[in-house]
Formats: sequence, C-alpha cells, structure tokens
Amino acid sequence: AILLTQSPSSLSASVGDRVTITCRASQDTGRSLAWYQQKPGKPPNLLIYDASNVQSGVPSRFSGSGSGAVFTLTISSLQPEDFATYYCHQFNSYPHTFGQGTKVDLK
Amino acid sequence: EVQLVQSGAEVKKPGESLKISCRASGYTFPSYWIAWVRQMPGKGLEWMGIIYPRDSETNYNPSFQDRVTFSADKSTNTAYLHWSSLQASDSAIYYCARHPWSGYSQIDFWGQGTLVTVSS
Repeated sequence: AILLTQSPSSLSASVGDRVTITCRASQDTGRSLAWYQQKPGKPPNLLIYDASNVQSGVPSRFSGSGSGAVFTLTISSLQPEDFATYYCHQFNSYPHTFGQGTKVDLK
Repeated sequence: EVQLVQSGAEVKKPGESLKISCRASGYTFPSYWIAWVRQMPGKGLEWMGIIYPRDSETNYNPSFQDRVTFSADKSTNTAYLHWSSLQASDSAIYYCARHPWSGYSQIDFWGQGTLVTVSS
C-alpha cells in the first residue's frame, strides 16, 4: 500500500495567515490525489481533487499543487471556519490510502 | 441532491454480528462505486474498500479483507457493511462515501457516519 505522510501533523496559525500542508507519497501517484477538510463530529468534505482541481463550492483561498510523490494544500488567507483537520488521499492504486491528518488550530 | 443516509448508532457485544446500511438518493445508485471508511476514536481515516452496486464487484483493503463484507441492493439503493463476529477493536465511526467517476477517483459525497461501539 502507498504510504502518505503529511507535514506538519499539527500547526497553530492566526486568521489571515497563509498555511501550507505537504503530503508525501511513498510511490508515484501521478496526480491522483485529493484533499479533505474535517471538522469535529462531521464527515470529511472534499476540497481538491486530481491534485489541483478545486471542488465546486469550495472557496478560492484553497489551492492544491504537485504531482508524482509530493503535493501541497495551501490556504491563502486562513479564515475562522478553516480551523479543522485536513487529510490527503491517494486513489492511484488499491488500496486507497489517507495521510494521517494535519490539525490546524488557533494560535 | 446527492445524499447518503446511514443507519443509526449501534452498541454490540464481542462476537455478535452486525450489518449497517447506507441509503443513497439523488443519483443513479448502480453506476457509482461506494467506499467504506473507518475512523477510530480520535484517529484518522482508513479506506476499507469499495463496492460497485451494478454488479457487486468489490475490492477490499487487505487490512480489512477477512473482517468485513460489503453488499449492495439495487432495488433499495442501499449499500451494507457486515461483520459476522465483532471485536472491541471494531469500535469506530464508519462512513459510506461515493467515488464519482470510477474506483480510481476521489470521494465527493459522504454519509453522516455510523458509530459502532463494541463492549462487553
């Protein structure tokens, strides 16, 4: 199975900050990577698919980049509703795998 | 509107069997792969595997292969996750989720989750 490692595992930031989360894969996944946001007690919500495509309805402050084995999720200006946990997900091969998550909280 | 509505929370004893459900609406159920995802308390997401309701083709994560069974009923637009013998370590939230294009795609819709508690 492809191992996805997110960094950092947690970060503290302020409203208005630019935040970048990295996801590294143990094998080449092409561009078959998605990012999700999860808030406590809720299911995950799709933000980015195919590495850089923003899901319909997701604010434009969210962006994704990368290919192969290194991917990034960037929040250009952190908003109060963005404090949550973020997961990457590779769907290039079975079994699909998720990163361990990155928790973004208030500094 | 696409919706995946899961069955309610369950409390079971070790060794008991359990089947939880995921009822789909708002789209052509047979044509989209359904995944099951586990989230243990305070932990991350684990992809358990998928089922294609049109022909019930499945692909299991080897980590879950011998523990669970997926099924789907096209007549009721419902997917199921079944355990024949629960263990305490099966306590978790289980999500059903839809892959929009194929089994090799992202997840675009999620159910609300079913909390399973296994305790003697």
